[in-house]
Formats: sequence, structure tokens, C-alpha cells
Amino acid sequence: QITLKESGPTLVKPTQTLTLTCTFSGFSLSTSGVGVGWIRQPPGKALEWLALIYWNDDKRYSPFLKSRLTITKDTSKNQVVLTMTSMDPVDTATYYCAHHRQVYGMDVWGLGTTVTVSS
Amino acid sequence: QSVLTQPPSASETPGQRVTISCSGSSSNIGSSYVYWYQQFPGTAPKLLVYRNNQRPSGVPDRFSGSKSGTSASLAISGLRSEDESDYYCSAWDDRLNGWVFGGGTRLTV
Repeated sequence: QITLKESGPTLVKPTQTLTLTCTFSGFSLSTSGVGVGWIRQPPGKALEWLALIYWNDDKRYSPFLKSRLTITKDTSKNQVVLTMTSMDPVDTATYYCAHHRQVYGMDVWGLGTTVTVSS
Repeated sequence: QSVLTQPPSASETPGQRVTISCSGSSSNIGSSYVYWYQQFPGTAPKLLVYRNNQRPSGVPDRFSGSKSGTSASLAISGLRSEDESDYYCSAWDDRLNGWVFGGGTRLTV
């Protein structure tokens, strides 16, 4: 059974850097074709894809946020970390990580973690 | 503003059939598979349809997806009150080199 869980601060100040960790089980990020992605959803708004890292360390970023995002993986710890710099109140959202497979896309999602950006 | 366009809302009575549309372009829907997600308030999205018209195990066959050109649709037949939810379409965008989502459709049954 694949599970993912997001963790990180619930409150960050404007201009600070956000670091979120996705801890997963039930799969290995060293398996060919597997990836972990990050998606966010501001309150009452639509889903927005942020980044994706593949088993081979290939990385993809939203072109709209690329300059602020970094995604990394620690295969031994079964974790994927997303950092987002220069946080702003508009970045207030629920942040999800999701298991990604070539055929199924983002097929299993974590419960999400809510991040509020406020001074 | 989302890259994929969905109607913000849809409504139908129990037992009937509803279709939710998703419009894109040649760089996303026109050249990639379409995925559909169901999201209840306060919960994470759940994969409903993958690769245009495939259902993951456990998803009822009342849910069906289709694609034509740069548009896709999700049809739900035999509507039930528990289908009342938000629905999102998604596709890989070759020009943006990333996933894109629709703005979501809130279905009222």
C-alpha cells in the first residue's frame, strides 16, 4: 500500500524560505519510472502543479515558479524535499505530494499540509 | 487562471447523467493523456480516470472519460448524492514541460 505524508511548518513569514518534506512508504524512488510530485491548492482555488522528481533524479519545475523551487530526494530515507524561497502571502495554500507513475500519472496523494504565510 | 478550461459548476438530478468538459491546446490535451481527479472539501484529490478513459481499481464504471482533439470530458451516469464534489482535469504540457490542471468544476447533485 502506497502512502505519502507531508510535513513542514504551518506558518512562515514573508520573504522566508519554506521547506516541506514528503515521507512515503510502499514504493521505492529508485524504481524505474517512479516519481514524486508536489502540488498546491490555495484556499478555495484550483490545484497548481509545482515540481516533480523522477527515480533517475530528473527534475521538472513549474515554469511560473521555477526560480523559487528546488526539489531533492533521499532514497535511503524515502523522502522528497521541496524548498520554496521568497514566500509571500499569496503562497498560502495546502501543499500535497503525490506518487507519480508513467502510466497512471499522479495516482496516490498525501493528505496535504496547510501553510500560511503571514507576518 | 488555469491552463485547462473547465466550467466552474455543473448540476444535475440524481439518477441522471452529467458531462464535465475540459478544454486545452495542442501542447497539452492535444498531445498528451488526460487525467481526472475527484476532490471532496477538505480532502486530497483522488485519481478518477487516467490515460483519457481508464479507471483505477475501485472506481465505479459510472465514471467515464473521453478525449477528442484538444478537449476532454468526464461523464458520470446514474448520479448519486455522494458524487457531489469538485472535479479537476489534468494533462502534461509539452510546451511548459510540466503538469497543468483545469480550474475545477463543482458538481451539485
